[in-house]
Amino acid sequence: QVQLMQSGAEVKKPGSSVKVSCQVSGITFSNFAISWVRQAPGQGLEWLGGIIPSFGTLNYAQKFQGRVIITADESTSSAYMELNGLRSDDTAVYYCARDHYTGGVVLPYFWGQGTLVTVSS
Amino acid sequence: AIQLTQSPSSLSAPLGDRVTITCRASQDISSNLAWYQQRPGKPPKLLIYDASNLASGVPSRFSGSGSGTDFTLTISSLQPEDFAVYYCQQFNSYPVYSFGQGTRLEIK
Repeated sequence: QVQLMQSGAEVKKPGSSVKVSCQVSGITFSNFAISWVRQAPGQGLEWLGGIIPSFGTLNYAQKFQGRVIITADESTSSAYMELNGLRSDDTAVYYCARDHYTGGVVLPYFWGQGTLVTVSS
Repeated sequence: AIQLTQSPSSLSAPLGDRVTITCRASQDISSNLAWYQQRPGKPPKLLIYDASNLASGVPSRFSGSGSGTDFTLTISSLQPEDFAVYYCQQFNSYPVYSFGQGTRLEIK
């Protein structure tokens, strides 16, 4: 079955960086976008950006431009999200999501289990 | 960037009730809207795509409607497992996405 396996929880100091991984199995990796979405405690979903691995196409939400780097490694079917300049309000669960062709449209369908990133001094 | 505004932010209703959640887009997105359900500690689950099409395995008590800028998600008869948070999401600007702020549905 399709699985998106994310790396484990992280605790980081303000100003540092974090890199979260997402390994995809059970489905083609390269042809569909992988998005990164975060959810602060008790808050809603926030799209950070995404990558289409086969094309190297990158898109970032304006809010995170210059602070987030999304990459992919087709050889390991893995995507990565690096967030720099961490602040306390970056504390959140970070999800990866893989697009899927559903009824004629393409949109996020398969999700990782989430990675808790805690930013604290 | 396309903004999505959901209402209400939270909603309390008894089992068996019919509820409706609204999502308004900041610009015309045709029918390029999806609805997700999220239970505590779990990732979102796709319920509806293309504004009104039920995703595989989703019960028929869920329905969606709308196009352009105004959309609704309706649950016809609330079941215990429906109490969760619901999000709308636009894919009109694929592969750049955005979500509504969510609607928390609680048992009354």
